Amino acid sequence: NAGVTQTPKFQVLKTGQSMTLQCAQDMNHEYMSWYRQDPGMGLRLIHYSVGAGITDQGEVPNGYNVSRSTTEDFPLRLLSAAPSQTSVYFCASSYGRASYEQYFGPGTRLTVT
Amino acid sequence: EDKVVQSPLSLVVHEGDTVTLNCSYEVTNFRSLLWYKQEKKAPTFLFMLTSSGIEKKSGRLSSILDKKELFSILNITATQTGDSAVYLCAVEAGGAQKLVFGQGTRLTINP
Repeated sequence: NAGVTQTPKFQVLKTGQSMTLQCAQDMNHEYMSWYRQDPGMGLRLIHYSVGAGITDQGEVPNGYNVSRSTTEDFPLRLLSAAPSQTSVYFCASSYGRASYEQYFGPGTRLTVT
Repeated sequence: EDKVVQSPLSLVVHEGDTVTLNCSYEVTNFRSLLWYKQEKKAPTFLFMLTSSGIEKKSGRLSSILDKKELFSILNITATQTGDSAVYLCAVEAGGAQKLVFGQGTRLTINP
């Protein structure tokens, strides 16, 4: 089992560029989520999905899109990068609800200049 | 608005000390409270506390939930340098399928 994988590990973007952060899990988990982590602010939920074809917004969804076409994959798209989106992004999955043990990916460190 | 507040934000102790980390919350329809440990990279799960499980223990770590006073504590006894990490508290509000995280407590254990 690879668990939760994320690519890339690091990324530098210019303001206005778009990109997709990839997330995949091989544990057949129904629940997947994306968080961003900024210094001193813990983790903030961006979007989440309770199963293939179902997504919903979290606490800070503006500027991000998601889709869930398969159980395994949950990509996060930045539509037009802004310096405020400089952060570390974590993808997580769990067997059932958000409050079940969530397994986190290694994170993507994104810098927008 | 759902809110989770952790204290202290930072704590430095000597190896062997006992520490208590605090987490208070204000959420609608509380469902569960979780503790995570974050070392260099991704958070790892420690405990989940619910109405039916208000006390958990694993080795030197233990946690209790006070649903009346809306807080939880995480105790670590006989601390070791490997306990140095950021400890995160998160709460799920009923039906929301979302976790709200606190800011985290950065714990440093000096030898």
